[in-house]
Amino acid sequence: EVQLVESGGGLVQPGGSLRLSCAASGFTFSSYWMNWVRQAPGKGLVWVSRINSDGSSTNYADSVKGRFTISRDNAKNTLYLQMNSLRAEDTAVYYCARPKYDILPDYWGQGTLVTVSS
Amino acid sequence: QSVLTQPPSASGTPGQRVTISCSGSSSNIGSNYVYWYQQLPGTAPKLLIYRNNQRPSGVPDRFSGSKSGTSASLAISGLRSEDETDYYCAAWDDSLSGVVFGGGTKLTVL
Repeated sequence: EVQLVESGGGLVQPGGSLRLSCAASGFTFSSYWMNWVRQAPGKGLVWVSRINSDGSSTNYADSVKGRFTISRDNAKNTLYLQMNSLRAEDTAVYYCARPKYDILPDYWGQGTLVTVSS
Repeated sequence: QSVLTQPPSASGTPGQRVTISCSGSSSNIGSNYVYWYQQLPGTAPKLLIYRNNQRPSGVPDRFSGSKSGTSASLAISGLRSEDETDYYCAAWDDSLSGVVFGGGTKLTVL
């Protein structure tokens, strides 16, 4: 069974940093692209970033480019999102998600809440 | 402002058929597959439709998807009270090199 478990969320001040993790199990992690998708409270889904299977290729939404870095450790079956220069508008539940059929996510974790506030 | 445009709300009565539209452009829906997700309150999204009109195993055949040009639709037939929740469309965007979502549609079962 595919399982994705996010962690690392919490309260951080504007301008601060946070690193999210997503522990994967139930599949060959090193074979799949992975995504981060976020959802601000009461708002819709917004794609954040994705990384290819060996970590050599990444894409970012314009809103986080230059501030967020996606990475992975295939030996640890873990996906990361390093978030720097955080802003109030980055407040959201962050989901890690894996595609099954194509590029778009199919399996989703339960999400971890990031709150950026002073 | 979402790249894909969905109506913010839709409604229907039990047993009725409702459709939710999703409008995009040539760089997303026009040239790539459309996915649809259902999200119950407080939970992660669940895949309903992939590759425009394919249902994952376990998704009832009451749910169907279609695509024409730069628009797509999700149809729900035999509406049930448990269908009352939020629905999102999504596609890859070649110009943005990223996944784009619709703003979401809240379905109410009257």
